[in-house]
Amino acid sequence: GENVEQHPSTLSVQEGDSAVIKCTYSDSASNYFPWYKQELGKRPQLIIDIRSNVGEKKDQRIAVTLNKTAKHFSLHITETQPEDSAVYFCAASGSNFGNEKLTFGTGTRLTIIP
Amino acid sequence: NAGVTQTPKFQVLKTGQSMTLQCAQDMNHEYMSWYRQDPGMGLRLIHYSVGAGITDQGEVPNGYNVSRSTTEDFPLRLLSAAPSQTSVYFCASSPRESTEAFFGQGTRLTVV
Repeated sequence: GENVEQHPSTLSVQEGDSAVIKCTYSDSASNYFPWYKQELGKRPQLIIDIRSNVGEKKDQRIAVTLNKTAKHFSLHITETQPEDSAVYFCAASGSNFGNEKLTFGTGTRLTIIP
Repeated sequence: NAGVTQTPKFQVLKTGQSMTLQCAQDMNHEYMSWYRQDPGMGLRLIHYSVGAGITDQGEVPNGYNVSRSTTEDFPLRLLSAAPSQTSVYFCASSPRESTEAFFGQGTRLTVV
């Protein structure tokens, strides 16, 4: 089955700086890669996703890049703000539509230092 | 729409007891899934369903049963609770051909 590794497990950055979280996956058939943000005590919520036919996707301060050859994808957050503090999870799926069985990474706890 | 609703929010069980975690969605989503979240391990898929009457196992199915008799409901049954099943359980749903899975608020289960 699919295996997703995520690094780092914790990350602290100064407010205004950029944060990068990296994930690798094992199954070359995976074709859908979402990122979820989970605030303390809350449910995970999708922040951005990318499909395998796209190399990069951007949404305001958040971007995701995908390298299918190397089987890794990354989340980039620019101009970080205190509300970006949360746990971020990457995931991968090889399903046709991608949502019923996601394999998650172990999470990155991001702390923004004011 | 209420979205994805899980009940209960908190539960304490004794070892060996059985119980059902409820999950209901009012968005007419075809896909539903159950995950458990443990510290340092992310979310792991327990069971999933692609439609009423269809279920399949995920990564960690042992000790759990599911059924999907209606589109709206996807209950998760613990047959004989064990301390290793202490976790936070999330139910998720998504429509076919969508890019987002919607999660419930979670059920924190403690088995003593």
